[in-house]
Amino acid sequence: NAGVTQTPKFRVLKTGQSMTLLCAQDMNHEYMYWYRQDPGMGLRLIHYSVGEGTTAKGEVPDGYNVSRLKKQNFLLGLESAAPSQTSVYFCASSKDRARSYEQYFGPGTRLTVT
Amino acid sequence: AQRVTQPEKLLSVFKGAPVELKCNYSYSGSPELFWYVQYSRQRLQLLLRHISRESIKGFTADLNKGETSFHLKKPFAQEEDSAMYYCALLPTYSGAGSYQLTFGKGTKLSVIP
Repeated sequence: NAGVTQTPKFRVLKTGQSMTLLCAQDMNHEYMYWYRQDPGMGLRLIHYSVGEGTTAKGEVPDGYNVSRLKKQNFLLGLESAAPSQTSVYFCASSKDRARSYEQYFGPGTRLTVT
Repeated sequence: AQRVTQPEKLLSVFKGAPVELKCNYSYSGSPELFWYVQYSRQRLQLLLRHISRESIKGFTADLNKGETSFHLKKPFAQEEDSAMYYCALLPTYSGAGSYQLTFGKGTKLSVIP
């Protein structure tokens, strides 16, 4: 079991470029989440999904889009990157609503926007 | 809306000394509280939840509803306890958002040998 994996691990973008971060989980979890982690700000929820084909906004969704076409994958897209999106991005998954407190995290993607 | 506050960004203690990582919350209902930990070069992981009332790696945390606190404690700190600790809250109402964790900003614990 790989658990939660994230691709890529590191990325540098220029302002205005686009990219997609991929999150995959092999635990058959229903719920998936994207967070960003910034110094002094902790973890903030960007978007989440409670099942295949569903997505919803979290605390800081602006500038991001997501898709969950397959249960095991959750994609985070940046259409036009901005320096304010420089951050470490974490994907997480949880089994279902009852165990939504127990989230399994990926290793993170460090994104720098210049 | 709920809020989780961890007043200390950094906490340094000597090995063998007691540790207390503070967490306060605001929430209109009766929440579930958790501690997550991120060791160096490892993934963020659940450490403990208040409902289970168990000790994990020597850590305990008691929910004090009167003081709206959920402090994490350990009587004798070890070097391997050095990590980033996040307090998190899960609302207990039903409906949209009830399965979203709200995290505090985290406290970095440094145990000095």
